[in-house]
Amino acid sequence: GAVVSQHPSWVICKSGTSVKIECRSLDFQATTMFWYRQFPKQSLMLMATSNEGSKATYEQGVEKDKFLINHASLTLSTLTVTSAHPEDSSFYICSANKRGLGLGDTQYFGPGTRLTVL
Amino acid sequence: GDSVTQMEGPVTLSEEAFLTINCTYTATGYPSLFWYVQYPGEGLQLLLKATKADDKGSNKGFEATYRKETTSFHLEKGSVQVSDSAVYFCALSDQGGGADGLTFGKGTHLIIQP
Repeated sequence: GAVVSQHPSWVICKSGTSVKIECRSLDFQATTMFWYRQFPKQSLMLMATSNEGSKATYEQGVEKDKFLINHASLTLSTLTVTSAHPEDSSFYICSANKRGLGLGDTQYFGPGTRLTVL
Repeated sequence: GDSVTQMEGPVTLSEEAFLTINCTYTATGYPSLFWYVQYPGEGLQLLLKATKADDKGSNKGFEATYRKETTSFHLEKGSVQVSDSAVYFCALSDQGGGADGLTFGKGTHLIIQP
């Protein structure tokens, strides 16, 4: 199998505080993990690509100082939303790459984290 | 930049009906194309994929053919079931297979009534 977990599944925080979201590949090693953001009834938007042991690559328009990404090991990436504000409220989804046997990579998605900033 | 356009839902069908969910894309080069499905309360799951023109991806009775001439990757199923009710996302990857981040369509909510 290829299971990706996220923790927490939902979080409510006060404006100005920071929130950390974890993404783990439970039964495989992932050299690359991705973070997406999904607004209600909208598509998933890629925020950043996270490679183990190196700095994350952020998509245009995503503030890297606002959304801190750490990929400390082959099974764990974290997203920290710093000084959160109500406009950061969203559904955050991670995915992890698993190398296939001659079939290229396949991305496996976590169940998502619902962040609500009051 | 890359983009994916898919029909907006919700799409409501009766059980055993024929399903088509349209998906078209714009991309540079030769992208890989995917359909993901999201069941209520669960994460996205890969349904099928195609990595080059004229390839047909298939899984669980669903099919989609990579049409380069029409830049399309429409999802079809001959006879839907209530258990197929979910949100379906069409997506593309510039670096075949998912080595880079995916570009998604907005998703199509499919409702199958018994």
